[in-house]
Amino acid sequence: EDQVTQSPEALRLQEGESSSLNCSYTVSGLRGLFWYRQDPGKGPEFLFTLYSAGEEKEKERLKATLTKKESFLHITAPKPEDSATYLCAVPATTSGTYKYIFGTGTRLKVLA
Amino acid sequence: KAGVTQTPRYLIKTRGQQVTLSCSPISGHRSVSWYQQTPGQGLQFLFEYFSETQRNKGNFPGRFSGRQFSNSRSEMNVSTLELGDSALYLCASTRGTANTEAFFGQGTRLTVV
Repeated sequence: EDQVTQSPEALRLQEGESSSLNCSYTVSGLRGLFWYRQDPGKGPEFLFTLYSAGEEKEKERLKATLTKKESFLHITAPKPEDSATYLCAVPATTSGTYKYIFGTGTRLKVLA
Repeated sequence: KAGVTQTPRYLIKTRGQQVTLSCSPISGHRSVSWYQQTPGQGLQFLFEYFSETQRNKGNFPGRFSGRQFSNSRSEMNVSTLELGDSALYLCASTRGTANTEAFFGQGTRLTVV
């Protein structure tokens, strides 16, 4: 069964304390992996797309990497404004239905 | 360019009523997908419309329906509302080709009482 699992569920960091979020997936033939940031009560905001193992993308303090079984979102020297829920998603076709499967997210809290 | 616009932002309805939510995609985007987000289940796919046709459908009961107009704007309808339908409903637009990033609206927070 196609599945996306994110860990940890929640993470508290001190400002400046770097860490990584994990997104592991099981899907037949990966056709892309997407990272989103979601603030409370708002829609997810697109961050990155990764298509092949070894690919890396960076944006400010965030860097996303991809292997054949998982993706990492590295946060370097985070600031309080980086606090949000980070979601990853993969496209998959299940029982003839094409859709994006989302993980349940990692809730990140960065303390000043 | 303008993003995805969802209206209304908040709704309170009574059990048994029906509700219609609206989504205007990014200009030039032809695909609109709808998702239900709840704390326990995360983001669950409802359906996708492309060129006024439902192209994909998730595992939701027939009370959930949608349509898309010629200008790509989409509406989602939920009939005979249940308490469990309380959720954040999100729409996402893409250009319509597979495996491309989706851009989300701010969502409609539906509360059923």
